[in-house]
Amino acid sequence: GAGVSQSPRYKVAKRGQDVALRCDPISGHVSLFWYQQALGQGPEFLTYFQNEAQLDKSGLPSDRFFAERPEGSVSTLKIQRTQQEDSAVYLCASSPDGLYGYTFGSGTRLTVV
Amino acid sequence: DQQVKQNSPSLSVQEGRISILNCDYTNSMFDYFLWYKKYPAEGPTFLISISSIKDKNEDGRFTVFLNKSAKHLSLHIVPSQPGDSAVYFCAVIPRKGKLIFGQGTTLQVKP
Repeated sequence: GAGVSQSPRYKVAKRGQDVALRCDPISGHVSLFWYQQALGQGPEFLTYFQNEAQLDKSGLPSDRFFAERPEGSVSTLKIQRTQQEDSAVYLCASSPDGLYGYTFGSGTRLTVV
Repeated sequence: DQQVKQNSPSLSVQEGRISILNCDYTNSMFDYFLWYKKYPAEGPTFLISISSIKDKNEDGRFTVFLNKSAKHLSLHIVPSQPGDSAVYFCAVIPRKGKLIFGQGTTLQVKP
């Protein structure tokens, strides 16, 4: 597609539930990123893929967070046993080279109740 | 510890006037800086960037100034328009694959 597509747009999860957030990057973009944006804050880096390789996962806040991109295109961010502090907008971005030309999706707003 | 800081959470200006958004950073090794604009319920979109080898970059109504000695950059919008009302983030790329964002400044341009 023309842009980065994320689904679902909104997700309400009960505390303790597992969730999976999907990102469809721009076709041909080698690099894919996940960011977390809490209310009133700037986006914070979670993880970075180059093709199917996860090159940096230093921003994942705990081992409840897991991301994958098995075929080098679509990516899934999974959060296990969700907690209230996980409530945020999760943004996905893709880039041709990982340096410039980042394009962000509209995000998934996760609310944990 | 915030490596990129936007100390003004909000700014309100009159249509036609200049908007100045500010950003400070802590690491003098940063060498590429960007500004993003974000409307509600949308992802950030790239606005303008500057490399540390320059002190100014201009694109239409938008100009970014970089003061390396002060570790400060600013975004000037002239003239401001109501459609410019959005949240503006400055960001740096410390290494390939990672952007560090400031907290954002909400700009309101009043007609």
